[in-house]
Amino acid sequence: DVVMTQSPLSLTVTLGQPASISCRSSQSLLFSDGDTYLHWFQQRPGQSPRRLINKVSYRESGVPDRFSGSGSGPDFTLHISRVEAEDVGVYYCMHSVNWPWTFGQGTKVEIE
Amino acid sequence: ELQLVESGGGLVQPGGSLRLSCVASEITFSNYWTGWVRQAPGKGLEWVAIILEDGSVKHYLDSVKGRFTISRDSAKNSLYLQMNSLRGDDTAVYYCARDRGSVWGQGTMVTVSS
Repeated sequence: DVVMTQSPLSLTVTLGQPASISCRSSQSLLFSDGDTYLHWFQQRPGQSPRRLINKVSYRESGVPDRFSGSGSGPDFTLHISRVEAEDVGVYYCMHSVNWPWTFGQGTKVEIE
Repeated sequence: ELQLVESGGGLVQPGGSLRLSCVASEITFSNYWTGWVRQAPGKGLEWVAIILEDGSVKHYLDSVKGRFTISRDSAKNSLYLQMNSLRGDDTAVYYCARDRGSVWGQGTMVTVSS
């Protein structure tokens, strides 16, 4: 199984400052179709997860442009250019290159 | 905008069964993967089972193989998870999710306890 390792597991950020979360995969996430199946999710307190970034860097519709994704295997990064209060929650990376699809442990983002 | 609504959760004794349902708000014609993700209290996310929307391929997490069955009914825009021989470590919120997590339901809580 592909193991997804996130760091840090907890992050305290000042409003308006940048933040980044790293994710490392234990195997290549490059599929035979040429796409890399690495995704980022946000889970606000008490809510369902929401996909922010699809296939490394494609931002979902409605996601603020302060969120961006980058990287190539095995290291990937979620960037938040200027953290806002509504960004509090847990962020997960996830792969779907083969089964079982697995998530990272999650990174809890709090505001200072 | 596509919405997913789960139902069927509840309290069940160890060894018991439950059937979860997920209804989509609109018909879609793309053959995406769709499936169930669970989240134990205070823990992370875990894909339990997925199915291609034409029903041709299914995958299960090792720990639920032989106990859980995923299925769908395209006429009813519905996805199901039949859960048998439930154990305490199956206690979680179960989410229905489509297309590698592009759309999620609100979740339904399953509690396995005597």
